[in-house]
Amino acid sequence: ETGVTQSPTHLIKTRGQQVTLRCSSQSGHNTVSWYQQALGQGPQFIFQYYREEENGRGNFPPRFSGLQFPNYSSELNVNALELDDSALYLCASSRQGFSYEQYFGPGTRLTVT
Amino acid sequence: QQQVKQSPQSLIVQKGGISIINCAYENTAFDYFPWYQQFPGKGPALLIAIRPDVSEKKEGRFTISFNKSAKQFSLHIMDSQPGDSATYFCAARIGGGSYIPTFGRGTSLIVHP
Repeated sequence: ETGVTQSPTHLIKTRGQQVTLRCSSQSGHNTVSWYQQALGQGPQFIFQYYREEENGRGNFPPRFSGLQFPNYSSELNVNALELDDSALYLCASSRQGFSYEQYFGPGTRLTVT
Repeated sequence: QQQVKQSPQSLIVQKGGISIINCAYENTAFDYFPWYQQFPGKGPALLIAIRPDVSEKKEGRFTISFNKSAKQFSLHIMDSQPGDSATYFCAARIGGGSYIPTFGRGTSLIVHP
């Protein structure tokens, strides 16, 4: 069974640029959630996708957007990057309706300069 | 507003000692309380979880104690080992709907050999 994978591992962008982060969910999982983890903080929920539709959103501005594909993989897009967007971005997958638990990927470390 | 408050921020314990991490919550709608363990460069991984109808849950060296009336729960790591050195997050989830946990800010645990 393949776990949650994310790419890239690290990324450096300039303020104002756009970035796309990718996530492949664990086999058998149909739900993907994205989190932002600032240094020294717990993960903050960005949004969740289920069956290619957004299924919940945290307190993040619209420049944070996402997609889920038919194979349940997902993308997180961030436009107009700000310095405060520097963080570890975590993807987690789960089976909607079957489990309370999410399984996290290793994350993408984004640095905005 | 931080819905789950975690303390201490950091903890140093000698090998064989007991590590205790505390969390408090305010929202009585929370119905599931997991603890996560995160090693550097990795995403959080579920360690142990409890529901509010149980006052204690033990899995190996890890025990959750839950006090519903005080709205507090804690993680006890017995016989702490250097391999337990990691960041620990408590979390809480509101019942119903998709699984979207609210995380505490984390506790950095160092176990000295």
